Amino acid sequence: GAVVSQHPSWVICKSGTSVKIECRSLDFQATTMFWYRQFPKQSLMLMATSNEGSKATYEQGVEKDKFLINHASLTLSTLTVTSAHPEDSSFYICSAREAPGSPLHFGNGTRLTVT
Amino acid sequence: AQSVAQPEDQVNVAEGNPLTVKCTYSVSGNPYLFWYVQYPNRGLQFLLKYITGDNLVKGSYGFEAEFNKSQTSFHLKKPSALVSDSALYFCAVRVPHLSGGYNKLIFGAGTRLAVHP
Repeated sequence: GAVVSQHPSWVICKSGTSVKIECRSLDFQATTMFWYRQFPKQSLMLMATSNEGSKATYEQGVEKDKFLINHASLTLSTLTVTSAHPEDSSFYICSAREAPGSPLHFGNGTRLTVT
Repeated sequence: AQSVAQPEDQVNVAEGNPLTVKCTYSVSGNPYLFWYVQYPNRGLQFLLKYITGDNLVKGSYGFEAEFNKSQTSFHLKKPSALVSDSALYFCAVRVPHLSGGYNKLIFGAGTRLAVHP
C-alpha cells in the first residue's frame, strides 16, 4: 500500500537553530501534502497545506516565516522550523494524498525537542 | 462552526468485550467522516470512512462505525476487543478549506482506548 516516509523520526536541536523535516511519498505522487502539529495528549492541529509547485496555505495563527514549507516535487515536501525555540518542541506529522478525494496517508511523525 | 467532538478522553474495556468509542460532529452539508488510530510515536493509520450509502461502515482490524444523521454521530465499534487494540483513536471530518479550493480534515481530541487482559 501507499507509504509516506517522514525523516527524521526524532531530532534534538539547540534554541536558535533551524531544523528541516522531510516528508516523502514512496509509491505515489502526492499532489497535496499536509503538515500537522500534535501536542502531548492533544489532537492534531493542521498547520499548513502544500500543493506541488505552489505556495503553502497556512492555517490561522501559524507563522509562515517560522514554519517554512516547500513542496518542490510530487514526492517530497519539507517543513523547516526556523530559529527554533523550546515552545516549538512538539510532534510534527505529515500526510499526503494523490488527488482530491483519494485516501490520506500519514507519515510516522517527527518528535522535535528544542533545548 | 464545523467541529468534531470525542466526549471521552479514555475508554477502558476488558479483552473480549465489545467496545465503543464515541464521536459527534457538527458540519454543514453532508459529512465525510473518518476514523484513524495512532500508536505511540507514530503517525495515524486509516481505519474506515463514511462518505455515503450504508450507515454501517466496516473497516480495518474488525472495526466498524455507524453513521447516525439524526444524532450527528459516528461511533466506532468492535464486537470483541483485543489488547493490541489499545491505542489513541481519532475521529475526523472533512471540510472545505476557506481558501485554496480543497478540503482539509478536522480532528477530534482523541480517545485513548485501553483494553485490559
